[in-house]
Amino acid sequence: KAGVTQTPRYLIKTRGQQVTLSCSPISGHRSVSWYQQTPGQGLQFLFEYFSETQRNKGNFPGRFSGRQFSNSRSEMNVSTLELGDSALYLCASSPREVSNSPLHFGNGTRLTVT
Amino acid sequence: KNQVEQSPQSLIILEGKNCTLQCNYTVSPFSNLRWYKQDTGRGPVSLTIMTFSENTKSNGRYTATLDADTKQSSLHITASQLSDSASYICVVSVQSGGFKTIFGAGTRLFVKA
Repeated sequence: KAGVTQTPRYLIKTRGQQVTLSCSPISGHRSVSWYQQTPGQGLQFLFEYFSETQRNKGNFPGRFSGRQFSNSRSEMNVSTLELGDSALYLCASSPREVSNSPLHFGNGTRLTVT
Repeated sequence: KNQVEQSPQSLIILEGKNCTLQCNYTVSPFSNLRWYKQDTGRGPVSLTIMTFSENTKSNGRYTATLDADTKQSSLHITASQLSDSASYICVVSVQSGGFKTIFGAGTRLFVKA
């Protein structure tokens, strides 16, 4: 069974631009959650989608948004990029809602904002 | 305030030795506690997940313990291998008016030959 796939693997953007990251969950998994990882803040929860509905949201500004499609694939969008948005963005999938099942992480998208 | 604190911040051990990583939390109401291993440049991989009623869980050479009364967990690694060099992250989940996930900062483990 293929694991969680995140694309692209690396991305370099300029301040003020926007970016879209993609996540394909493990086949059959209906929950997708997104996380930001930085050396200073560690892992922080962004949001979770289950069956195309956002179920939970972390404490991030509205510039961070996401969506989930009917095939469970998910995208995350960050608008008006800031230098502080440079981070590893991780996506995780699980068969059920995050609260009740282990997470299977992808290897992330490394975003650099210059 | 919901917090998860891990210690030590980093640890160096010799191959073949055992080690124990600590996780203290002030999360309430507690839902579950998970330990993840993250290799450099990779996503975290689940090691164990424990609910309130479980006080120990093993996964090969990894054994996690949970004391819900003192709000402490530990991850014990037996007979360490070079491949155990990684960050180990403790994650606690809260179920209160919605679900929240709180991550510890991690312990960076270096296993030397």
